[in-house]
Amino acid sequence: NAGVTQTPKFRVLKTGQSMTLLCAQDMNHEYMYWYRQDPGMGLRLIHYSVGEGTTAKGEVPDGYNVSRLKKQNFLLGLESAAPSQTSVYFCASSYRGELFFGEGSRLTVL
Amino acid sequence: SQQGEEDPQALSIQEGENATMNCSYKTSINNLQWYRQNSGRGLVHLILIRSNEREKHSGRLRVTLDTSKKSSSLLITASRAADTASYFCATAQGGSEKLVFGKGTKLTVNP
Repeated sequence: NAGVTQTPKFRVLKTGQSMTLLCAQDMNHEYMYWYRQDPGMGLRLIHYSVGEGTTAKGEVPDGYNVSRLKKQNFLLGLESAAPSQTSVYFCASSYRGELFFGEGSRLTVL
Repeated sequence: SQQGEEDPQALSIQEGENATMNCSYKTSINNLQWYRQNSGRGLVHLILIRSNEREKHSGRLRVTLDTSKKSSSLLITASRAADTASYFCATAQGGSEKLVFGKGTKLTVNP
C-alpha cells in the first residue's frame, strides 16, 4: 500500500504565481486534511474534508482553496502565492481518529 | 490557536535513559494522541488515549492522561539513538474530527 502520497515534493514559486498540491490516499478513508508546518509553530490545520464533495475551513484557511472531487484525492490550491506561504505542507487521512500522513511538500515562495 | 503545548521544547539524553515529555491542553477532549516525526519526514501515529482512560502502554511507550489537570505525558523507556525525533501531542475536541497539534518536543538520544 502506498498510503498517502503527496505531489510535488518540492516547489519554488514566485510571488503571485498559482499552484496546486495533490494528495492521494489508497486506504478508502473518508476524512482528509491539509496542514502546514512552520519552525516553532507546530502543525496548523488549513482545510479538511469529511467526505467526497465536502470541504471545511481549519485554523489558517486564508489564501488557500481546496477541492475533494474524488474520495481518494484532496487538492490544495494557492491562487496567488505569497512569501508567508513558504512552508512544509502535509496531507493526512484518518480512520477512527488516527491520522496517516504523507511525506510532505516543501514550498518556497520568493 | 494551538490546543496542546508540549514541554520541554527540547530534550537531550543518553541512550538507555528514559525520556519523559509532557503535553498540556486547554479544553475538554475526546482523546489525545502522540505522534512522532523524524527529520524531514511525515508524522507517524504512536498511541491514542481516550478521555476515560488514565494510562496506556505500547512497547516501550507509556502514556498517561489526567483530564482534571488537562495534561498528558509520554514516557519512552530505555531510549535508543533511533528514538531521536520530534514528538507531538494532538487533541480532538468534542465531536470534532479535527486534530489540533502542539508545537512538539525535539528529543535527541545520544549514543
